Amino acid sequence: GAVVSQHPSRVICKSGTSVKIECRSLDFQATTMFWYRQFPKKSLMLMATSNEGSKATYEQGVEKDKFLINHASLTLSTLTVTSAHPEDSSFYICSARDSFMNTEAFFGQGTRLTVV
Amino acid sequence: GEDVEQSLFLSVREGDSSVINCTYTDSSSTYLYWYKQEPGAGLQLLTYIFSNMDMKQDQRLTVLLNKKDKHLSLRIADTQTGDSAIYFCASGTASKLTFGTGTRLQVTL
Repeated sequence: GAVVSQHPSRVICKSGTSVKIECRSLDFQATTMFWYRQFPKKSLMLMATSNEGSKATYEQGVEKDKFLINHASLTLSTLTVTSAHPEDSSFYICSARDSFMNTEAFFGQGTRLTVV
Repeated sequence: GEDVEQSLFLSVREGDSSVINCTYTDSSSTYLYWYKQEPGAGLQLLTYIFSNMDMKQDQRLTVLLNKKDKHLSLRIADTQTGDSAIYFCASGTASKLTFGTGTRLQVTL
């Protein structure tokens, strides 16, 4: 199946710094990518929908200035957690949907963010 | 908002069948999905079913959909220790998925 690569898989950062997470579709073009956050023993919460060449659409309650999303090409979307706080520590997962196939979205392996 | 519910835990013996259940509220869902998540990993799509289908079988996996009751189930035949993971069902469209809380499947010897 299609491959979505997410980098880094783990990152530890200090409070107040910013962290960038990359999501790449390796063998297909993705006009739309999705960013999720997963809390321990909880489901995935959709944070935002990233559209290539335009602004991301954020879900209610998600601070767009804190979670900056850039989708500059058909194969890359980035999520930057700005001024990170310990409560931002979580598992972040991206998914990408093939521009030509509408049946499924492929998920990256996730990024474990720890803010100390 | 839309809601998807699953039981949190299921324990089965190796070789038995596992049945993981899911209910959803979004009647406009186009597709319903089952994902598998192993510890520390992302989500792996196992299978999906189009909303106008009742059943889909793929090797050891059987998906049953009762659209009237908005009930989805995943049956894993001959469950193996490698099937131990968290299983998420998700409903929605290609544009937006709503995930359940996940069912942790434990396979015992």
